[in-house]
Amino acid sequence: AQSVTQLGSHVSVSEGALVLLRCNYSSSVPPYLFWYVQYPNQGLQLLLKYTSAATLVKGINGFEAEFKKSETSFHLTKPSAHMSDAAEYFCAVDRGGNQFYFGTGTSLTVIP
Amino acid sequence: DAGVIQSPRHEVTEMGQEVTLRCKPISGHNSLFWYRQTMMRGLELLIYFNNNVPIDDSGMPEDRFSAKMPNASFSTLKIQPSEPRDSAVYFCASSPPPAGRSETQYFGPGTRLLVL
Repeated sequence: AQSVTQLGSHVSVSEGALVLLRCNYSSSVPPYLFWYVQYPNQGLQLLLKYTSAATLVKGINGFEAEFKKSETSFHLTKPSAHMSDAAEYFCAVDRGGNQFYFGTGTSLTVIP
Repeated sequence: DAGVIQSPRHEVTEMGQEVTLRCKPISGHNSLFWYRQTMMRGLELLIYFNNNVPIDDSGMPEDRFSAKMPNASFSTLKIQPSEPRDSAVYFCASSPPPAGRSETQYFGPGTRLLVL
């Protein structure tokens, strides 16, 4: 069954520093992968998605992710962290039939 | 578009009481999902509807949970009787008809349920 694993439940970065949130997938077929962000007391919001059109996917708020088949990874990056990026980030894979499996989430703290 | 609408946003109830959570999906979306989020278990899919028909309810914890979708613009998740371990944030999400193999799911703001 298709799944994702998020490495690191908590990540702290300084404001202006690189953000790197890790996600590895397990899939026997080409996966459709997603990154969502959840701000406190809110629902999940789509950041970006990979649907095999291009390996480097650009999303909202300056985030991007690169699909690397050789590493079975789909890590999320942002060159310069902003205080407003503090949130919970979820990686997800479509298991088929539009049913998503979500990772356990990574909480991002941005230090001023 | 107003997005996915959920009500109530917060619910506090006593053990044994019936709880009904409501969801209005985005107009034109034909898939609807109910999720539960807890610290211990993360985000879990409870049930999935397509064109108002339940497709997969394998995530529903037990018979105390039931979900309905009487029409394309409304769904309910009911817990009867409620127990303290049901305390969680319940999300509703909807997605449009697939243009490809996969479509984005759009989440509502959630209902924060506390069962005392």
